[in-house]
Amino acid sequence: DAGVTQSPTHLIKTRGQQVTLRCSPKSGHDTVSWYQQALGQGPQFIFQYYEEEERQRGNFPDRFSGHQFPNYSSELNVNALLLGDSALYLCASSLDRVLSPLHFGNGTRLTVT
Amino acid sequence: AQRVTQPEKLLSVFKGAPVELKCNYSYSGSPELFWYVQYSRQRLQLLLRHISRESIKGFTADLNKGETSFHLKKPFAQEEDSAMYYCALRALKTSYDKVIFGPGTSLSVIP
Repeated sequence: DAGVTQSPTHLIKTRGQQVTLRCSPKSGHDTVSWYQQALGQGPQFIFQYYEEEERQRGNFPDRFSGHQFPNYSSELNVNALLLGDSALYLCASSLDRVLSPLHFGNGTRLTVT
Repeated sequence: AQRVTQPEKLLSVFKGAPVELKCNYSYSGSPELFWYVQYSRQRLQLLLRHISRESIKGFTADLNKGETSFHLKKPFAQEEDSAMYYCALRALKTSYDKVIFGPGTSLSVIP
């Protein structure tokens, strides 16, 4: 079991551009959550996807959007990138079941210049 | 609103000394509390959770609802315990609620 996999590992973009990050959940998991982790801070919840729909959302602007596919994999899209979007983006998967813990990927390091 | 605080950004202890990483939370309902750990160059992983009441790698944590705390403790620190530790909270009995993380404490165990 490969666990949660994310791609790419690193990404450099210019201000104003758009970016797409990808995540494959752990085998058997049906729920995907995305987090942003700025340097020196804890992960901040962006949103969660289940059954191909956004189920919960944190305090992030509409520039952040996502998608979940029928195979449970997910994408995070960020439009009109700002310098402040530079961070480590973490994907976590879980089961839609009470007490199911989060399993994290290694993250995608996004740098906006 | 749910909130997790970890007052210590950095904590250094000597090998063999006891260690306690503090975590306080604010939440009006019944919380599920976790400790996640991130070792150097590894992914964030679950260390333990209050509902399991188990000791993982010698670490324990007790949920104190009166003090709204979930401090992580280990009687004798080892060098391999050096890592970043995050306390986290979720609404209990809700599979889909978001997990909220604290800012983290970097533990350094001095040989």
